Amino acid sequence: QVQLQESGPGLAKPSETLSLTCSVSGGSISSNYWSWIRQPPGKGLEWIGYVHNSGATDYNPSLKSRVTISQDTSKSQSSLKLSSVTAADTAVYYCTKGSGWYFSWGQGALVTVSS
Amino acid sequence: EIVLTQSPGTLSLSPGERATLSCRASQNVNNNYLAWYQQKPGQAPRLLIYDASSRATGIPDRFSGSGSGTDFTLTISRLEPEDFAVYHCQQYANSPRTFGQGTKVEIK
Repeated sequence: QVQLQESGPGLAKPSETLSLTCSVSGGSISSNYWSWIRQPPGKGLEWIGYVHNSGATDYNPSLKSRVTISQDTSKSQSSLKLSSVTAADTAVYYCTKGSGWYFSWGQGALVTVSS
Repeated sequence: EIVLTQSPGTLSLSPGERATLSCRASQNVNNNYLAWYQQKPGQAPRLLIYDASSRATGIPDRFSGSGSGTDFTLTISRLEPEDFAVYHCQQYANSPRTFGQGTKVEIK
């Protein structure tokens, strides 16, 4: 059973770049899709996008101009970068395995955007 | 983008009762690529159902999914105390993947 663990700063300043890493253990990061989903406090889930180890990516159009999802196979990690953040980007960020339905989830990382 | 609308927003029921949750899509969800998740406070969502009606590994058979096209239903046949939570539907037929706003099942 693959395990996912998000890590990164819990605080980001407005206009800066939010960066999170997802460490994958118990399974291969290769030949799989790795997705990021976020959830603002008290609100619903929002799909951010995914990366495949082929290099293929797909992003939510609402975030596409600001988001980059990448994968480092040698480190068994997926990474999320979201630029020009505002308070509206405050959320719990989850990494997940897959591109369709999501069985495996990390525990989530709360990122607060505040000066 | 496919917009998913869940109803009701909150469902107040007693343990042992049957829960019926609805998820309606703004356009056809091809191949019935629809999933249901359960989420408890402070936890990540847990996959219950995929492909509209297939139970995920380890999910009790009191959870069932049905529907096709634009109308989907999650049924919990007899509510157990641990089933009181928020339930989300999600479509993966199109990009971007989208989620409903959630239905909270609370103890009456």
